[in-house]
Amino acid sequence: DAKTTQPNSMESNEEEPVHLPCNHSTISGTDYIHWYRQLPSQGPEYVIHGLTSNVNNRMASLAIAEDRKSSTLILHRATLRDAAVYYCILRDKRNYGQNFVFGPGTRLSVLP
Amino acid sequence: SAVISQKPSRDICQRGTSLTIQCQVDSQVTMMFWYRQQPGQSLTLIATANQGSEATYESGFVIDKFPISRPNLTFSTLTVSNMSPEDSSIYLCSVAAGPSSYEQYFGPGTRLTVT
Repeated sequence: DAKTTQPNSMESNEEEPVHLPCNHSTISGTDYIHWYRQLPSQGPEYVIHGLTSNVNNRMASLAIAEDRKSSTLILHRATLRDAAVYYCILRDKRNYGQNFVFGPGTRLSVLP
Repeated sequence: SAVISQKPSRDICQRGTSLTIQCQVDSQVTMMFWYRQQPGQSLTLIATANQGSEATYESGFVIDKFPISRPNLTFSTLTVSNMSPEDSSIYLCSVAAGPSSYEQYFGPGTRLTVT
């Protein structure tokens, strides 16, 4: 699975949108883009994933660049509960059922 | 989805002793994973445990130090043997919901402190 690059940390104000970037210039055609987050004192949890098209779910939106070399996780209205480490992970769809490889992630702070 | 519980949630142990961490899943799963998260760091995979076969260890982790049992499809244990302060970490159990699953579910972790 190809590697990703994320900023170490980001800050946001409560109730404002947050755009978390991820670069993955060596992504392959069979790599899906996954986002997980880890709240304090908890295990990671699934946020969203996608291949080529933008994706929306109740937690967030995922915007994928046309060349797929970067993506952005969008939290539409940050709450204090969204303060967490966000991990952008590429995984080949042929490796589904296998483990994820976690990078350092982005630590998001949400200010009241 | 899968709900995972771990025991103990935390422990403080003395150098040279061993601790066994239990992982219980509320549904049958084929693959279970054990991760370590050192203070302030990301997650590192220790091993993959399939029911009915030996666990597969990642580079830098050995069976003598981290023996794993997988007696059935809902349960696994990880033992941290002959502990040293460097073993102080959070240990997390994780499962994939199925062979074609794009999601992985994690337990709450076991916070281990070795003194």
